[in-house]
Amino acid sequence: DTGVSQDPRHKITKRGQNVTFRCDPISEHNRLYWYRQTLGQGPEFLTYFQNEAQLEKSRLLSDRFSAERPKGSFSTLEIQRTEQGDSAMYLCASSLRDQETQYFGPGTRLLVL
Amino acid sequence: AQSVTQLDSQVPVFEEAPVELRCNYSSSVSVYLFWYVQYPNQGLQLLLKYLSGSTLVKGINGFEAEFNKSQTSFHLRKPSVHISDTAEYFCAVSEAGATNKLIFGTGTLLAVQP
Repeated sequence: DTGVSQDPRHKITKRGQNVTFRCDPISEHNRLYWYRQTLGQGPEFLTYFQNEAQLEKSRLLSDRFSAERPKGSFSTLEIQRTEQGDSAMYLCASSLRDQETQYFGPGTRLLVL
Repeated sequence: AQSVTQLDSQVPVFEEAPVELRCNYSSSVSVYLFWYVQYPNQGLQLLLKYLSGSTLVKGINGFEAEFNKSQTSFHLRKPSVHISDTAEYFCAVSEAGATNKLIFGTGTLLAVQP
């Protein structure tokens, strides 16, 4: 059990550029979640996958955001045409179905200049 | 919809003193309750959780929490804190039997002073 990993850990980009983050969940965890955490706030739910199916999306997830989980393993979160307001920590978590505990990765810190 | 309130944004305390971090929640359905800890520039680590059963739950690092349904609270306590407990603590809820997405409070910074 190597834990949830995220890549990259830090990303600096210019406004208007596209960025993509990757999350590798704990092996055999079929549930995967993305959260966003801004400075001084708690994490906010963005989206949820069960296996490869995206079953829920927050209204926070504008049409510039897209997430995928091909083959039900790793997941990617893409932000198109980044804005300064997208600067945040993006956290990924995974869990087993019917298990309530989510295990979090170290996060990807995004800074949009 | 669920919501979580952590009224104390920062709690300063001296080393070896007891501490209580407050958490209140709002929900019209059954919920699961969690406390997570976040150290600087790291992800979140689960301290403890309440799913059902005994209302007093014990977690890692000597922390415990008590679920109080009538007061819709889930306060976190530790009888004697250490410098290494300095971190951000988040209370969270999820709707029982649903997607288990977590709704977090705004966090409480526990600042342990020597």
